[in-house]
Amino acid sequence: EPEVTQTPSHQVTQMGQEVILRCVPISNHLYFYWYRQILGQKVEFLVSFYNNEISEKSEIFDDQFSVERPDGSNFTLKIRSTKLEDSAMYFCATASGPPNGGDGYTFGSGTRLTVV
Amino acid sequence: GESVGLHLPTLSVQEGDNSIINCAYSNSASDYFIWYKQESGKGPQFIIDIRSNMDKRQGQRVTVLLNKTVKHLSLQIAATQPGDSAVYFCAEKIGGSNYKLTFGKGTLLTVNP
Repeated sequence: EPEVTQTPSHQVTQMGQEVILRCVPISNHLYFYWYRQILGQKVEFLVSFYNNEISEKSEIFDDQFSVERPDGSNFTLKIRSTKLEDSAMYFCATASGPPNGGDGYTFGSGTRLTVV
Repeated sequence: GESVGLHLPTLSVQEGDNSIINCAYSNSASDYFIWYKQESGKGPQFIIDIRSNMDKRQGQRVTVLLNKTVKHLSLQIAATQPGDSAVYFCAEKIGGSNYKLTFGKGTLLTVNP
């Protein structure tokens, strides 16, 4: 079964450092998403990306965050200057269509980001 | 306030019993709902979905019921197995958004052998 692959599985970084989280989508998927889950809390939407641009973003996704597909395959989330409260599990999700029926996302296994 | 929430944070059942996990939502503009299963250390896994123009949808051992009158969603798992033990989330797409899913807090289902 096709999978969404995320790397690294765990990253520890110093506060103020930049991190890049990587995702390899399922090959025929065109819609890409980042979600995060703070330990013990619910999954929260960060951003959606379609046709090489951000289609929707949440209030969490401020100027410290950016996304891109640098080589047309990988989908990355960059946090420019990490804060302690950025510590969370970050999930990439991809889909062949928008979520309006019959096409739920496929999530990756996540990257656990720990900011110290 | 929170649009999607769960009545029960934990549910413990015996193997072979049926499980029912509930979810309340408050946004009447939500037009699409998904149930996800999340095992420890893994990402959410799609189980079943339903559009707002339906009130019931069945999959393999799972059924989702949607009651728009009381804004309630449920997931029924038949003949629950130990492998069903996980956290279950409902998620909704609000009609004004094309992409974003809003997740509830999750219910931990424990299946006792």
